[in-house]
Amino acid sequence: GAVVSQHPSWVICKSGTSVKIECRSLDFQATTMFWYRQFPKQSLMLMATSNEGSKATYEQGVEKDKFLINHASLTLSTLTVTSAHPEDSSFYICSAQTGQIYEQYFGPGTRLTVT
Amino acid sequence: AQSVTQLGSHVSVSEGALVLLRCNYSSSVPPYLFWYVQYPNQGLQLLLKYTTGATLVKGINGFEAEFKKSETSFHLTKPSAHMSDAAEYFCAVTSRGLIFGTGTRLQVFP
Repeated sequence: GAVVSQHPSWVICKSGTSVKIECRSLDFQATTMFWYRQFPKQSLMLMATSNEGSKATYEQGVEKDKFLINHASLTLSTLTVTSAHPEDSSFYICSAQTGQIYEQYFGPGTRLTVT
Repeated sequence: AQSVTQLGSHVSVSEGALVLLRCNYSSSVPPYLFWYVQYPNQGLQLLLKYTTGATLVKGINGFEAEFKKSETSFHLTKPSAHMSDAAEYFCAVTSRGLIFGTGTRLQVFP
């Protein structure tokens, strides 16, 4: 149980376009989902926290107008990278929380390459 | 504010040797602590976690960690390294989401 999926697993897009990444909890309802990014050979950094039906909370330094997060249901959160630039190329990982803060389950990640 | 510090960005051991990866935390509240492993180009896999109760936590693949409040540490150990253990290891503490350490790359030599 407690499986989280991400789609797509990898995507290449041209500079200036937008790309949407989906995060789904497959066998549980997630009250809260988190989005992280990981640059090559670096650690994961929390970008934002999303709760179903409410606006996402962004970490300091993360542009909310560039990284649009929508948590439309208890099993789906989406991250849209708008007007992508090469510096947005990264590994984006989501996690879903079932209840307690320590019950988080991570998706497999999405590798975004902007050319 | 919560934070974790992983000492040593690279650790190399011989196959069969003891693995010790160090993690110290800072937390203003009783922490929940985690160790994750990441293989190249893959997501995170939970090795073990400490929430409450027994301070020695056993995880998957023969790994274990001990929560030491007096030392604010949560070091990861494995008695005998396997080649398949070569990966990146992250220590994390709960905050908003998880706060991750900078990671330790474990190399295992035959």
